[in-house]
Formats: sequence, structure tokens, C-alpha cells
Amino acid sequence: GENVEQHPSTLSVQEGDSAVIKCTYSDSASNYFPWYKQELGKRPQLIIDIRSNVGEKKDQRIAVTLNKTAKHFSLHITETQPEDSAVYFCAASRGSGGYQKVTFGIGTKLQVIP
Amino acid sequence: EAQVTQNPRYLITVTGKKLTVTCSQNMNHEYMSWYRQDPGLGLRQIYYSMNVEVTDKGDVPEGYKVSRKEKRNFPLILESPSPNQTSLYFCASSAQGQGYTFGSGTRLTVV
Repeated sequence: GENVEQHPSTLSVQEGDSAVIKCTYSDSASNYFPWYKQELGKRPQLIIDIRSNVGEKKDQRIAVTLNKTAKHFSLHITETQPEDSAVYFCAASRGSGGYQKVTFGIGTKLQVIP
Repeated sequence: EAQVTQNPRYLITVTGKKLTVTCSQNMNHEYMSWYRQDPGLGLRQIYYSMNVEVTDKGDVPEGYKVSRKEKRNFPLILESPSPNQTSLYFCASSAQGQGYTFGSGTRLTVV
């Protein structure tokens, strides 16, 4: 089955700096890679996703890159703010006609220091 | 409001007493899934469903059952709960090709 590794497990950055979280996956058939943000005591929420036919996607201060050859994808957050503090999960999924079998990384706890 | 509704939010039960956690979505999503979240282990998929009467095992299905008799509902059944099933459970749904929308979670304690 799919295996998703996520690094680092914790990350502290100064407000305004950039943060990068990296994930690797094992199943070359995986074709959809979402990222979720989970604030303390809350549910995970989708923040950005990328499909295997795209190398990079950006949404304001958040960007995701995908290297299919290396089976590697990353989340980039620029100009970090205290409200970016949360646990971030990467995920990889595949499925015939859908994206329903999803494997998550173990999460990265991001702390943005004011 | 588009949402995934789980009930109950908190549950304390005893070993061996059957329980059901309900999940309902109002977005007409085809896909639904159950996850458990444990410290240091992230989110692990228990079961998922691609449509009515179509379900499949995730990574940690042992000790759990599900059913999908209606598109909007996807209950999680623990026939004989054990302490190692103490966890935070999330139900989620999605349309084809989209990310999951998660419910608020159910914190289950089995004593």
C-alpha cells in the first residue's frame, strides 16, 4: 500500500519568514496530493491540493510543488503569520474514478513566533 | 450550510458494548470515509465508500464495520469496542476529484 513520509515533525519560524514542509510517497499510481491544516481542537481543513499532471500550484501565500519522478511534494508558506500556527498534513491518494483511498503523513506542527 | 455532521462529539463506553457513531453529509458527495487520529500516528483511514452499497477497507479496518445504505449517511460501528480503539474519529466526504470535508470529530474513550 501507499506510504507517505512527512518532514519535519515540528517547525518553528519567526513571523514573516517562510516555512517548508516536505513529503514523499511510495505508490507511483498516486495522482492527487492534498494538504490539510488542523488548528488545535479543530477538524482538518483542505488548504491546497495538486494533481499529478501539474508541477506547481499557488494560492496567495501558500504554494505546493510536485516532483513525480522523485515522488516528492512540498508545501511552501511565505510571509508566515501567527495564525498559520497549526498542524499540517500532507496526503496522497489514488482510485479508479476518484480520490477516495487517502494516506496521510504524520503531520508537521508549525509554530510561528511573533 | 454545507457540512459533515458527526454524532456524538464525545463518548465514553465500556469494553464490549456495541456502539455506533453516525455521520451525515448534505453535499451529495459520492465519497465518504472514516479516519482515526492518534498522537504521533496522524490520520489513518479505517474505511471508505465510493457510493451507496460500495465500501472498502482502509489501512486500519480491524474491529470496525461500516454501511452505506443511503448516499448521505455513513455510520461507523464498533461491535465489541476495546481500549485500543480509544481515539479521535473523523468522518469526511468528498466529491469526485476533490479533497475531503471533515466532520467535527468524535472523541471516543473505551474503558
